[in-house]
Amino acid sequence: KAGVTQTPRYLIKTRGQQVTLSCSPISGHRSVSWYQQTPGQGLQFLFEYFSETQRNKGNFPGRFSGRQFSNSRSEMNVSTLELGDSALYLCASSLTWGPDTQYFGPGTRLTVL
Amino acid sequence: AQTVTQSQPEMSVQEAETVTLSCTYDTSENNYYLFWYKQPPSRQMILVIRQEAYKQQNATENRFSVNFQKAAKSFSLKISDSQLGDTAMYFCAFMKHDPNYGQNFVFGPGTRLSVLP
Repeated sequence: KAGVTQTPRYLIKTRGQQVTLSCSPISGHRSVSWYQQTPGQGLQFLFEYFSETQRNKGNFPGRFSGRQFSNSRSEMNVSTLELGDSALYLCASSLTWGPDTQYFGPGTRLTVL
Repeated sequence: AQTVTQSQPEMSVQEAETVTLSCTYDTSENNYYLFWYKQPPSRQMILVIRQEAYKQQNATENRFSVNFQKAAKSFSLKISDSQLGDTAMYFCAFMKHDPNYGQNFVFGPGTRLSVLP
């Protein structure tokens, strides 16, 4: 069974631009979560989607948004990019919206210049 | 709010030796789940081991085992017969599922483990 895939793997953007990252969960998994990983802040939870609905949201500004499609694929969008948005963005999928193990993708490395 | 602490930012171990990584957490919950994840230099986060708080028996996965002390809120990871491929950042994670808000994963800051030949 294929693992979690994320595209693109690397992105370079400039301040003020917007970016969309994509995540395809493991086949059959219906819950997708997003995390931001930086050397200073570590792993921080962004949001969780299940059945096309955002179920949980971390403490990030409204510039960070996401959505989930009927096939469970998810996208996250960051508008008006800031230098501090440079990070590794990790997507994780789990089978259900229950107390389930999360399986992570390889991440998208975003650099904001 | 739950917090996860990993007091050892960096550790090293000789190949074939045993090493223990520490993790403590703070919660008022009774039912929760604990995880150890490994993130090698390639960056893919990999699940190492999972422990349900309601289970008294410590989880084991091949060379990896945990020492779960619920009363002390401690969840250490022991790696036996260390291999070069164990070199990675190790994250301890706490998870509580809320029926209204879903999974609440909280990660520790990580311990960078280097296995030396």
